[in-house]
Amino acid sequence: QKEVEQDPGPLSVPEGAIVSLNCTYSNSAFQYFMWYRQYSRKGPELLMYTYSSGNKEDGRFTAQVDKSSKYISLFIRDSQPSDSATYLCATSYSGAGSYQLTFGKGTKLSVIP
Amino acid sequence: DVKVTQSSRYLVKRTGEKVFLECVQDMDHENMFWYRQDPGLGLRLIYFSYDVKMKEKGDIPEGYSVSREKKERFSLILESASTNQTSMYLCASILAGTDTQYFGPGTRLTVL
Repeated sequence: QKEVEQDPGPLSVPEGAIVSLNCTYSNSAFQYFMWYRQYSRKGPELLMYTYSSGNKEDGRFTAQVDKSSKYISLFIRDSQPSDSATYLCATSYSGAGSYQLTFGKGTKLSVIP
Repeated sequence: DVKVTQSSRYLVKRTGEKVFLECVQDMDHENMFWYRQDPGLGLRLIYFSYDVKMKEKGDIPEGYSVSREKKERFSLILESASTNQTSMYLCASILAGTDTQYFGPGTRLTVL
């Protein structure tokens, strides 16, 4: 089982729709949970990060973590064509001199005007 | 704002050439990383560095080496470029205390 699983899509939605992007992870030691947005031919851009279970909101974006089920989600409200990008989830662990950051393979989102 | 810059956005090299990819961060981060990103394979870690002159192999170090002579600069070296090293190369730096990486804009390398 891969450590972080993410549906690659592609996902196509009409403008204004609510988008739900999801990942599952297998290692319960993971501490940080992140979402990155990557536009075509650009580097990933950190969107949101969270340390604990629960919700974190930033404008139209909400990150949700459920550690009990090892499930992380990103919700985009009132989606815009400018949200069209690949979204990568990531989880990390650090401690006792070791560090691990694991990415999902990304979900490609298209928001149609 | 954290800023991670990479020396080139696009690079075309010939098989057998020695290639240097440079990465600079301006936030005094100890930890820096080099990844490659390929369609269907996602991000794969090549090398990382915890401090000056320190380096650790990632998941796919074969055919690559790195250099960290100064804290702000982390270089990726392809000793003898091959066509299977055609890829998008991404440098990243860690924000202290959060384990969240900030990425540079990437270098798209084509080896002919």
